[in-house]
Amino acid sequence: KNQVEQSPQSLIILEGKNCTLQCNYTVSPFSNLRWYKQDTGRGPVSLTIMTFSENTKSNGRYTATLDADTKQSSLHITASQLSDSASYICVVSVWDNAGNMLTFGGGTRLMVKP
Amino acid sequence: DAGVTQSPTHLIKTRGQHVTLRCSPISGHKSVSWYQQVLGQGPQFIFQYYEKEERGRGNFPDRFSARQFPNYSSELNVNALLLGDSALYLCASSFNGQLFKQGAFFGQGTRLTVV
Repeated sequence: KNQVEQSPQSLIILEGKNCTLQCNYTVSPFSNLRWYKQDTGRGPVSLTIMTFSENTKSNGRYTATLDADTKQSSLHITASQLSDSASYICVVSVWDNAGNMLTFGGGTRLMVKP
Repeated sequence: DAGVTQSPTHLIKTRGQHVTLRCSPISGHKSVSWYQQVLGQGPQFIFQYYEKEERGRGNFPDRFSARQFPNYSSELNVNALLLGDSALYLCASSFNGQLFKQGAFFGQGTRLTVV
């Protein structure tokens, strides 16, 4: 069964601190991996998208890494801000006979405190 | 340009009732996917439509159905609602459904509460 697992489930950090979120996947065949930010009650918004040949990609204070050999990805947030409080979801694209679909992790709920 | 729009934003229904959720994709996008997100969990794939045809279906009962119209908007229908159907229903839009090449753009979701 294709799975995407994220850790930790929740995280509390102080404003200005850095943090790293983890994503492990067993999805196959792998197409690409994305990190989304989802504010409570809102739709997910894409932060980064990485193909299997990319090791790292940055978007402002967000840096995603990917190790396709170990099937692990991380999202590093630097100099956190209160507005970073949200759920961060790791999503892997699967190409199968039905077309393709996105497999979502359960998300990491980040709370940034002043 | 308008993004992905979903309606209604919130909805309260009684068990056993039927509900219809609507989604308009980004202009020029021909594929719509539906996801169910239960509180505290990641979204689960329900359906994908491309050019008015069903391209993919997740592990959901037959009470869930959908369709796509000639203007590429879509409806998700759920019959005989159960308490467990309470969730945020997300619609994702993409140009041709090839999500592995493109980003999927999500609407703000419809929050369905079944009482």
